[in-house]
Order: sequence, then structure tokens, then C-alpha cells
Amino acid sequence: GQQLNQSPQSMFIQEGEDVSMNCTSSSIFNTWLWYKQDPGEGPVLLIALYKAGELTSNGRLTAQFGITRKDSFLNISASIPSDVGIYFCAGSTDSWGKFQFGAGTQVVVTP
Amino acid sequence: ETGVTQTPRHLVMGMTNKKSLKCEQHLGHNAMYWYKQSAKKPLELMFVYNFKEQTENNSVPSRFSPECPNSSHLFLHLHTLQPEDSALYLCASSAGLAGSYEQYFGPGTRLTVT
Repeated sequence: GQQLNQSPQSMFIQEGEDVSMNCTSSSIFNTWLWYKQDPGEGPVLLIALYKAGELTSNGRLTAQFGITRKDSFLNISASIPSDVGIYFCAGSTDSWGKFQFGAGTQVVVTP
Repeated sequence: ETGVTQTPRHLVMGMTNKKSLKCEQHLGHNAMYWYKQSAKKPLELMFVYNFKEQTENNSVPSRFSPECPNSSHLFLHLHTLQPEDSALYLCASSAGLAGSYEQYFGPGTRLTVT
């Protein structure tokens, strides 16, 4: 089946640093979504991407839909303690909204 | 209530019990989803409903039985579960065929099977 690889698995960063993570797929996607999940809660949608090359920001978060349509990137600038959590990518190829999810990147921010 | 709600938030059940998880979305969406989230693994899609019709069953064992009486409510009926079924069960909704496929999640039900 389709493989969606997300890296890194975890990151330990200092407050104020920038964070980058990415997802790659063996298949071409039409849509990429990025989520954040806090402990004991459901994932919260951060950014949605619909076109190859698209670059979209949401506050300090910026995500890009890769030109090849097989990858996507999420950057967090000037991290703060509340950025702690697990970030997931999700990609879809079909018109029914069926998404593949990455395994997540755990971000830990130290003061 | 706003967004997607799920009840109960926590559930402990024996392998011979029958229980149900409930999901309700207040977003006017037409598609609803059940996912299973196990530690260190990607979210696993279980079922998809579009306009109350099941459009996806991702080879889920029959001990999980979904029900979608209308576009706002989704249930997951559980019976004779196994310990490996312990996980966080997430419900999500999207506008689906009527709009975008951005999925919005509920807080999940933490299920423990003893």
C-alpha cells in the first residue's frame, strides 16, 4: 500500500529556535494537511494545501506542498513552549477524502 | 457545543462486554470518519460515511460495527473486543463531496479492553 514517511520522529529544541519537519510519499497526493495533537486530545488542523508549490502560513507556521506532489514540509519559526506536541501530516489522492497519515513528529521545547 | 464531540472520553470494558462510542458534529458536514490511534503508529482509518452511506470499510473486524443515523451522528458499536483493541478512537468530519476534505477531529475516546 501507500507509504507516508514523516521525519524526524522527534525533536528537542530550545525556545526561540526554528523547527522543520517533512513528509514524503511513494504516491502523488492532491491534498496535504498538517495537524497538531496535544496529549489526551484529538488532532487540530493547522494548515491545508491543495496545489503543488503552494506555500501557506498560519501565524508562525508555514507549510509547503512539494513540487513533485510527493512531499510536504512544515516549519515553525521562533518556537515557544506551547508548540510542544505531536505534529502529523496527512495526504490524500482520492475524491472521497481518504487520507494517509504520517506517524508524527514529537516536538519538545526546552526553555 | 461546537466542533466535533465524542462520548465517553474514557471507557474500560471487559472482552465480553458490549459498549458504544458516540460522535456528534456541529459543523454542518456531510462526511464522518472513525480512526484508531495506537501508540507510535499512524492513524488508521476504519470507516467513512458520506451522506449517511458507508463508503469505506478498511478491513475492520466485525467486532466493530459502525452506525450513521444522520449526517451529524456517528456511532461505533463494540462487542467481544480483544486487548489489542485498546487505543484512542477518533471521530472526524468533513464537508466531503459538498466541499473541502479538511477533516476536523473530536477529542477521542480512550478505550481500554481488559
